[in-house]
Amino acid sequence: QVQLQQWGAGLLKPSETLSLTCAVYGGSFSGYYWSWIRQPPGKGLEWIGEIYHSGGTKYKPSLKSRVTISGDTSKNQFSLKLRSVTAADTAVYYCARGGEPGSFDIWGQGTMVTVSS
Amino acid sequence: QSALTQPPSASGSPGQSVTISCTGTSSDIGGYNYVSWYQQHPGKAPKLMIFEVSKRPSGVPDRFSGSKSGNTASLTVSGLQAEDEADYYCSSHGGSNNYVFGSGTKVTVL
Repeated sequence: QVQLQQWGAGLLKPSETLSLTCAVYGGSFSGYYWSWIRQPPGKGLEWIGEIYHSGGTKYKPSLKSRVTISGDTSKNQFSLKLRSVTAADTAVYYCARGGEPGSFDIWGQGTMVTVSS
Repeated sequence: QSALTQPPSASGSPGQSVTISCTGTSSDIGGYNYVSWYQQHPGKAPKLMIFEVSKRPSGVPDRFSGSKSGNTASLTVSGLQAEDEADYYCSSHGGSNNYVFGSGTKVTVL
């Protein structure tokens, strides 16, 4: 049974860089798209971007200038970096596996990231 | 790209049915058969309930069904049960390197 476990810093100051990592357990990293999705407190979900196992990436256009998603196939891990964070980036961040086209079938447990001075 | 539009809330008594709508545009829902639905209980990660408009992942009860007409997708939960009380989000591929989610609907079992 595939599981995603994620970790990273939960409290940042404005202008710092958010950094999260997600590890894939019990399944293959190859052959799938891997995404980051966030959810501000009390609000809906927002797709941030994805990486294919081969390294190709796609990002939400409005975040593209600040986001980098990278992968490490040797460790079955992928990571998110979001630069120059502000309070608007405060959210629960999820990693997720792209399953059938257009869907996310397995999710990490979520990491609450708060941006505050 | 704007979020897909969902009603903020929906409700039904146990055993009844509830249908949630999700309205987008020809650039997302209307342009692709890649609509999915997610159930989220408080404090938990979302769970995939429907993919490719109407397909159910293994383990999801057949009480959950999906459909699409034009720029609007729908999720129907039949035979409502107490454990169906949750937030539900739709999602669609939106082209241009993008996936877009709905605003979310809180389903209450009366």
